[in-house]
Amino acid sequence: AQSVTQLDSQVPVFEEAPVELRCNYSSSVSVYLFWYVQYPNQGLQLLLKYLSGSTLVESINGFEAEFNKSQTSFHLRKPSVHISDTAEYFCAVSSYNTDKLIFGTGTRLQVFP
Amino acid sequence: NAGVMQNPRHLVRRRGQEARLRCSPMKGHSHVYWYRQLPEEGLKFMVYLQKENIIDESGMPKERFSAEFPKEGPSILRIQQVVRGDSAAYFCASSPIPLTDTGELFFGEGSRLTVL
Repeated sequence: AQSVTQLDSQVPVFEEAPVELRCNYSSSVSVYLFWYVQYPNQGLQLLLKYLSGSTLVESINGFEAEFNKSQTSFHLRKPSVHISDTAEYFCAVSSYNTDKLIFGTGTRLQVFP
Repeated sequence: NAGVMQNPRHLVRRRGQEARLRCSPMKGHSHVYWYRQLPEEGLKFMVYLQKENIIDESGMPKERFSAEFPKEGPSILRIQQVVRGDSAAYFCASSPIPLTDTGELFFGEGSRLTVL
């Protein structure tokens, strides 16, 4: 069985500061990894994903995540956050032999001016 | 190109009533997933359906909950005799091919059920 752990339930940060949202996973097989973002009262939107190949993946709005197999991690980073990045961020895992996406409990990123 | 459409967006029911949540997947998507998000919690998988078939319902409560995805029309998540603990946001997601091939789901904006 697979699982995802997001240790930080809330991350407050000032605008233009760097941020890292942590994600660790557990799986006995090769994984696909995802970060989804949820703005208030909206559904989830895919931010970025790792399926295979380069371990560093980037989104169009400046976020990046690095797949680290030895540490079973997929942390999300942004060098300089904006007020508009305030949202809930969910890490998720699946694999070639599972028919569902398993989510972490989410991290609420709050960006202050 | 419309995304995943869910309705109603908000639903209020009294204890003991029935709730029906509808989901129209993206055009060309035949795989539908339902997730539940309880306050201050992540998304929990409920059920995975393809047209006319339930593929995986391992996340569905054993009683009162059912789901269908008929040949024609939207997928329906039905909750009978609702209780206060059913209050949550219910999200539908779809994909054009099995999750095992790409792992990516496209989500609707959710249906928020409040049980009084």
